[in-house]
Amino acid sequence: EDQVTQSPEALRLQEGESSSLNCSYTVSGLRGLFWYRQDPGKGPEFLFTLYSAGEEKEKERLKATLTKKESFLHITAPKPEDSATYLCAVQAPGFKTIFGAGTRLFVKA
Amino acid sequence: GAGVSQSPRYKVTKRGQDVALRCDPISGHVSLYWYRQALGQGPEFLTYFNYEAQQDKSGLPNDRFSAERPEGSISTLTIQRTQQEDSAVYLCASSVGGGTGRRKLFFGSGTQLSVL
Repeated sequence: EDQVTQSPEALRLQEGESSSLNCSYTVSGLRGLFWYRQDPGKGPEFLFTLYSAGEEKEKERLKATLTKKESFLHITAPKPEDSATYLCAVQAPGFKTIFGAGTRLFVKA
Repeated sequence: GAGVSQSPRYKVTKRGQDVALRCDPISGHVSLYWYRQALGQGPEFLTYFNYEAQQDKSGLPNDRFSAERPEGSISTLTIQRTQQEDSAVYLCASSVGGGTGRRKLFFGSGTQLSVL
């Protein structure tokens, strides 16, 4: 069964304290791994797409990496405005994009 | 519009009533998806449209749920005889469509449904 597991469920950081979020996946034929950011009361907002093991993408303080079984979202020197829920998702064969439960990130000034 | 628009933003209904949720995707986006998100969980796939054709409805929980997209643009998700367990945020997303590289989803802000 296609599945996405994210850890930790919640992460509290001080401003400037770098860390990583984990996404483990099981899918029969990965066609893309996605990271989204979701703010309270809003829909998810696209951050990155990764397609193959070894691929990396960066955007401001965020860097996403991909292996054959997991993906990491590295946050360097986070700021309070980075506080949000970060969702990992995989595109399996067909039309579904399967989401994990998310990691709720809190960055304190 | 510039983004995916959903209405109503909030809907409170009594158990047993029917509700209709509307989604207006980004202009030109071929693919349209409905997801449901429970509190503290990630979005759960419900159904997918390619233009007006409903190509996957495997995520609809039971036959009280239905969706249509008659002209390949605006879509309506209808829930008949609502139950308390239907309470959730219903998200609509659209994408350009086509091959693997075009599955980046653009989400609306959702409809928060509360069934009393």
